[in-house]
Amino acid sequence: KAGVTQTPRYLIKTRGQQVTLSCSPISGHRSVSWYQQTPGQGLQFLFEYFSETQRNKGNFPGRFSGRQFSNSRSEMNVSTLELGDSALYLCASSLGGGSMYNEQFFGPGTRLTVL
Amino acid sequence: TQLLEQSPQFLSIQEGENLTVYCNSSSVFSSLQWYRQEPGEGPVLLVTVVTGGEVKKLKRLTFQFGDARKDSSLHITAAQPGDTGLYLCAGGWGGNTPLVFGKGTRLSVIA
Repeated sequence: KAGVTQTPRYLIKTRGQQVTLSCSPISGHRSVSWYQQTPGQGLQFLFEYFSETQRNKGNFPGRFSGRQFSNSRSEMNVSTLELGDSALYLCASSLGGGSMYNEQFFGPGTRLTVL
Repeated sequence: TQLLEQSPQFLSIQEGENLTVYCNSSSVFSSLQWYRQEPGEGPVLLVTVVTGGEVKKLKRLTFQFGDARKDSSLHITAAQPGDTGLYLCAGGWGGNTPLVFGKGTRLSVIA
């Protein structure tokens, strides 16, 4: 089975711009979660999508948004980029409805640098 | 305030040594997961523990869930350079609630 894929792997943007990141989950996984990882804050939960609906949301401003398509692929968008948005953005998939422990299968991440 | 505290933050040891890293919380979890993340990659699930007092072994790695399901430890015997990475613990409350992650222990095993 192919793992979780994320594109692009690296991205450099300037303040004020917007960015869209893409994630393709493991086949059969219906839940996609997004995380932001920084050295100072660690891994922080952004949001989770299940069956094209946002099921959970972390404590991030509205500039961070996402969506999920009918094939479970997901995109994450960050508008009006700030320097503090520089981070590794990780996508993880899980079975969703049938998973008792919500075990996450992560992609390799997108490294976003905001200048 | 971090819900899951991991210690130590950094650990550098020689190949062949033993080590233990800890994951502590004041909250009770229904499950505790351990992940390892190598540079340039996403975290990879190592184990899930769900019963208080449970001990699971994965080759040279031993995972323990505290009796009260508030803490966990990971013990590595005879560490090897391939064990180098960031070890993350994550607590879950079951159902569809998101996991909460600790900040991790960065382990470096020197040959």
